[in-house]
Amino acid sequence: SQTIHQWPATLVQPVGSPLSLECTVEGTSNPNLYWYRQAAGRGLQLLFYSVGIGQISSEVPQNLSASRPQDRQFILSSKKLLLSDSGFYLCAWRKIYGYTFGSGTRLTVV
Amino acid sequence: KQEVTQIPAALSVPEGENLVLNCSFTDSAIYNLQWFRQDPGKGLTSLLLIQSSQREQTSGRLNASLDKSSGRSTLYIAASQPGDSATYLCAPGDFGNEKLTFGTGTRLTIIP
Repeated sequence: SQTIHQWPATLVQPVGSPLSLECTVEGTSNPNLYWYRQAAGRGLQLLFYSVGIGQISSEVPQNLSASRPQDRQFILSSKKLLLSDSGFYLCAWRKIYGYTFGSGTRLTVV
Repeated sequence: KQEVTQIPAALSVPEGENLVLNCSFTDSAIYNLQWFRQDPGKGLTSLLLIQSSQREQTSGRLNASLDKSSGRSTLYIAASQPGDSATYLCAPGDFGNEKLTFGTGTRLTIIP
């Protein structure tokens, strides 16, 4: 079966600390993968998308980066977190019949 | 740049009523449009996907329509139930990589 996994579910990190969020998909090959962020009271904002290994497109300038080291793995990172990086991060996979989202990571930067 | 507006921002209705959620978008050159629901603190659950060539899609008590030329979509929920309480998001997908653009959603509360 085709599934998408995202972890951790919740994360509290101090300002200036590094970040690594991981997303993996199963049951497919060469998927289009996306990272979205949902800040409090705001809509979902596309951060990065990837159409293949090593191919990353950034939508907005920010303190974050993304990498795709394997076909079905998508990683969101930061070297030094800012308070403004707090939010709900969602990984998504585009299938033939639309998008499927992961369960999300709630990041709180303190 | 695509912009998506959802009206109303919040809606409370008694259980059993039929209701309509509205979505408008500025760029009509879309590939498809997807409706999602989001429960508090959770990820997104896909409800319906409408291709640009389609006018509507139905799944159970849900019916979504699409008028691409006017930049509008509606989600109709029949015989609402308390379990329908959630935030509903519409997201048109553009051509090519089909990036989705989201509105801020409609927060729906069904009153038992």
